[in-house]
Amino acid sequence: QVQLVQSGAEVKKPGSSVKVSCKASGGTFSSYTISWVRQAPGQGLEWMGRIIPILGIANYAQKFQGRVTITADKSTSTAYMELSSLRSEDTAVYYCASPRTSPIAFDIWGQGTMVTVSS
Amino acid sequence: QSVLTQPPSVSAAPGQKVTISCSGSSSNIGNNYVSWYQQLPGTAPKLLIYDNNKRPSGIPDRFSGSKSGTSATLGITGLQTGDEADYYCGTWDSSLSAGFGGGTKLTVL
Repeated sequence: QVQLVQSGAEVKKPGSSVKVSCKASGGTFSSYTISWVRQAPGQGLEWMGRIIPILGIANYAQKFQGRVTITADKSTSTAYMELSSLRSEDTAVYYCASPRTSPIAFDIWGQGTMVTVSS
Repeated sequence: QSVLTQPPSVSAAPGQKVTISCSGSSSNIGNNYVSWYQQLPGTAPKLLIYDNNKRPSGIPDRFSGSKSGTSATLGITGLQTGDEADYYCGTWDSSLSAGFGGGTKLTVL
């Protein structure tokens, strides 16, 4: 069974960047998309974008265009999400998620990475 | 502002049935499958329903999903205290972007 394991919590200053990793183990990596979803404290889920590792093609939610970059390293089965120009409103838990049962439903989720933006 | 609209909260007694609605538009729910997720406090979301009404392996048949036009509904029967959680609907739109509802907090009285 595929598992997604994310990197640890981060504390960042406003204006800086953060890069979160998501490593897949136990199954095929490249054939399935990896999405990034964030959840601010007490708030709902917000999709940020996704990548198709086998093609290296990413698409992003309009809200994050120009500020987020999603990449994938097939050799290590790891996806990355980098968010720049951080502000306090970016404080959230960031999840990676991937479909298996259906192409457009997220079966598998990482454990989440807390990113805190504070001066 | 969430892409899909859900009621903020619902409640029902143990053993009863509850439904959670999810409203969208022709550019998202109207032309795509809907999925539903359960999120227990402090944990990652868990897929409950995919492709409008299908359950992944291991999800009990107390959970059901349906879709009509630009709306979808999650039903939970035989409510248990362990069902207390936040529930989210999700879908995709014509711009290949995913979207979620704002979430519904289920309280089992």
